[in-house]
Amino acid sequence: GESVGLHLPTLSVQEGDNSIINCAYSNSASDYFIWYKQESGKGPQFIIDIRSNMDKRQGQRVTVLLNKTVKHLSLQIAATQPGDSAVYFCAESSFSGGYNKLIFGAGTRLAVHP
Amino acid sequence: SQTIHQWPATLVQPVGSPLSLECTVEGTSNPNLYWYRQAAGRGLQLLFYSVGIGQISSEVPQNLSASRPQDRQFILSSKKLLLSDSGFYLCAWSRQGYGGGSGELFFGEGSRLTVL
Repeated sequence: GESVGLHLPTLSVQEGDNSIINCAYSNSASDYFIWYKQESGKGPQFIIDIRSNMDKRQGQRVTVLLNKTVKHLSLQIAATQPGDSAVYFCAESSFSGGYNKLIFGAGTRLAVHP
Repeated sequence: SQTIHQWPATLVQPVGSPLSLECTVEGTSNPNLYWYRQAAGRGLQLLFYSVGIGQISSEVPQNLSASRPQDRQFILSSKKLLLSDSGFYLCAWSRQGYGGGSGELFFGEGSRLTVL
């Protein structure tokens, strides 16, 4: 069946270091891949997305890489800050049956230490 | 700009009692609407989605139901809560189709339900 999962459930980094959060997916038919950030007790917030025909997309301090050969997605955060501490979810998006179907991974907790 | 509101933020209910969680979206029309549940430390599970008024689709069999009485209002209900219904419930909206983007979902702040 379809699944989106993460390699590491928790990631601890030092403030100022770069962070890399990984995600594996199984459905090659997805149109987009999206990263969300969820702070404790809040709803997930959109970070960045990448279309399935792209390999790399950059935002402010974040870069998403897509490797379709091995069905792998990663989120890179440059100069990680304490405010980056949160749970990060990857999701694959496809348009099916009239709605945007998102399948979420289990999440990775990022802990930033001073 | 678009905003999404859901309430109540926190709810403690006894087993067997009814439930009503409400969600409204402002600043857009004819959105797709979604209810997700998130167990503690886990990912998001899609419960219901709606592409229009009165149109509800369920993703998983469960003790809950959803209704969309108005274009921008989505309600999650139960007649009798179970212990297993405890969790963090998230309402979300998206634009119809991709609209040139990724079809991203915009989430509310969530409602934490504890069933005792």
